[in-house]
Amino acid sequence: RKEVEQDPGPFNVPEGATVAFNCTYSNSASQSFFWYRQDCRKEPKLLMSVYSSGNEDGRFTAQLNRASQYISLLIRDSKLSDSATYLCVGGVSGGYNKLIFGAGTRLAVHP
Amino acid sequence: DAGVIQSPRHEVTEMGQEVTLRCKPISGHDYLFWYRQTMMRGLELLIYFNNNVPIDDSGMPEDRFSAKMPNASFSTLKIQPSEPRDSAVYFCASSPDSNYGYTFGSGTRLTVV
Repeated sequence: RKEVEQDPGPFNVPEGATVAFNCTYSNSASQSFFWYRQDCRKEPKLLMSVYSSGNEDGRFTAQLNRASQYISLLIRDSKLSDSATYLCVGGVSGGYNKLIFGAGTRLAVHP
Repeated sequence: DAGVIQSPRHEVTEMGQEVTLRCKPISGHDYLFWYRQTMMRGLELLIYFNNNVPIDDSGMPEDRFSAKMPNASFSTLKIQPSEPRDSAVYFCASSPDSNYGYTFGSGTRLTVV
């Protein structure tokens, strides 16, 4: 079983739609979580951290459910520019944290 | 800040040749990571350093791969001899602390023919 699992998609949505991505992690000791965005043939870039209380950044909302070992990302009012692959990331603790990346969920927003 | 700098951006080499990938982390970042990305396997952590010391190299595929960090501003990933299955995008990333996430370089696209 992969440590971080995501639905690969693709999610094809019209502009203005609300779309949600889910992710599960297997290591209950994971302590830090992030969402990254990766455009085609580019490097991953940090989109937002994920906190236990949930957090919002403009049109983006991230949630963490430790009991279910589940992370989510909600994008409201989708824009064409949101088209990308979204990577769920869990941090494994143990002296020196290291981040484990999910395989990514592809989003395509169309006019 | 110039960000994480990797070179070369693209590398095409013949099977059996030695390949060296280079990385300059962001100044002040104590952690440096080497990842490999393929369509089949996604992003895989190969090795990471803390204060120039290798901490976890369990992701290094085999003895053909080696990584060094001689000082805080430079790291190399070497493949010798290279094989076609090593073809991938290799990313270097750095971080002051993983609680802040990582900053990735632009990657090196390696093709071994």
